[in-house]
Amino acid sequence: DSGVTQTPKHLITATGQRVTLRCSPRSGDLSVYWYQQSLDQGLQFLIQYYNGEERAKGNILERFSAQQFPDLHSELNLSSLELGDSALYFCASSHVGGGGNTIYFGEGSWLTVV
Amino acid sequence: EDQVTQSPEALRLQEGESSSLNCSYTVSGLRGLFWYRQDPGKGPEFLFTLYSAGEEKEKERLKATLTKKESFLHITAPKPEDSATYLCAVEFQGGSEKLVFGKGTKLTVNP
Repeated sequence: DSGVTQTPKHLITATGQRVTLRCSPRSGDLSVYWYQQSLDQGLQFLIQYYNGEERAKGNILERFSAQQFPDLHSELNLSSLELGDSALYFCASSHVGGGGNTIYFGEGSWLTVV
Repeated sequence: EDQVTQSPEALRLQEGESSSLNCSYTVSGLRGLFWYRQDPGKGPEFLFTLYSAGEEKEKERLKATLTKKESFLHITAPKPEDSATYLCAVEFQGGSEKLVFGKGTKLTVNP
């Protein structure tokens, strides 16, 4: 158990809908990362937050947004969903944003868009 | 562009047959190289972090090494429970702590 908690574990939704994925980082970790994993793309970095502020942005679509709250939990919002958004979405956390720190992953939220 | 390449894509071994997985990277500056193990439908599980060329880390049947341009994950006398996808990730210098992942090596160890 990495200590990173993600909910829900599975969800199925229709195209055009909006979903919210939730992540609680490990106790004491200030950085939260979101990654997307699909069969053909591998793990793709979406976005990083550090202590409530956006720190880095990767290949995140404009239909997707994220935030980190004062209690350090994070949410990833996916809207206007398309079939191609079906994937495993991972949240990860690390202690500080200073670089070279180990990033621990949650078990993921499996999103299926039908 | 910073890139991480893993080889082979898939590897089948017999139980007890040692081998190595490769991770090569092209970077402007390396801050750290990470190895993870991932089981199907699960999150990546942290194995090792390497920071500088010449560094080695060991854990049970696994040993990770790092040179200036690549890393190896050596598996000694593997067991069926070592079957998983092994992911290499690199943190590059440049202000963000994000990891760039390779596509992984899927290891199957047959009894």
